[in-house]
Amino acid sequence: AQTVTQSQPEMSVQEAETVTLSCTYDTSENNYYLFWYKQPPSRQMILVIRQEAYKQQNATENRFSVNFQKAAKSFSLKISDSQLGDTAMYFCACHNTNAGKSTFGDGTTLTVKP
Amino acid sequence: GAVVSQHPSWVICKSGTSVKIECRSLDFQATTMFWYRQFPKQSLMLMATSNEGSKATYEQGVEKDKFLINHASLTLSTLTVTSAHPEDSSFYICSARDRFPKRDGVSNQPQHFGDGTRLSIL
Repeated sequence: AQTVTQSQPEMSVQEAETVTLSCTYDTSENNYYLFWYKQPPSRQMILVIRQEAYKQQNATENRFSVNFQKAAKSFSLKISDSQLGDTAMYFCACHNTNAGKSTFGDGTTLTVKP
Repeated sequence: GAVVSQHPSWVICKSGTSVKIECRSLDFQATTMFWYRQFPKQSLMLMATSNEGSKATYEQGVEKDKFLINHASLTLSTLTVTSAHPEDSSFYICSARDRFPKRDGVSNQPQHFGDGTRLSIL
């Protein structure tokens, strides 16, 4: 069985500051991808960043970057220069390539304060 | 690219009626589509995997006769909630996998999400 754990149900950060969201996962597969999705109040699922498990280099997308520690099965998301529009629920997900299915964490609700 | 349209976005109906939700891939072909259910402030729970031209694969605990899935074409999957009751009220999200994802492109994702359907059963 594949599991994804987000240990922070809620977090807040001041505008322009940096925040890190935690995620750990467990899988017996070798072929998998890791993702962070953003779900704003509109409830649309928006892909923030992806990481191929076979790549050692941490993925970066503008203000968003990850700290991927494969041995520790850790995949945290760092948001730099936080903006009010970053307020949303964030889900960490692990996609099993062989099974073709994704497992999602319980989510972290992030509030960016002005 | 990789747009998924889900319809309706919000539906309210009486208990006992059946509700059909459509999931369409607009600019790509999808041999596989996924149906999720999400309660407020909770995670996405996979209900079933829909395969074009074959029967859907349901996750453990999901009633097949309650949630009917049809994937008759490469661009359309439907979820029908039969004889809906208030406990079926939830947010339902579909996603679709591109049959021919371009390497390193936007389409190279395991799934592209629709905007979801808010179902309220009175």
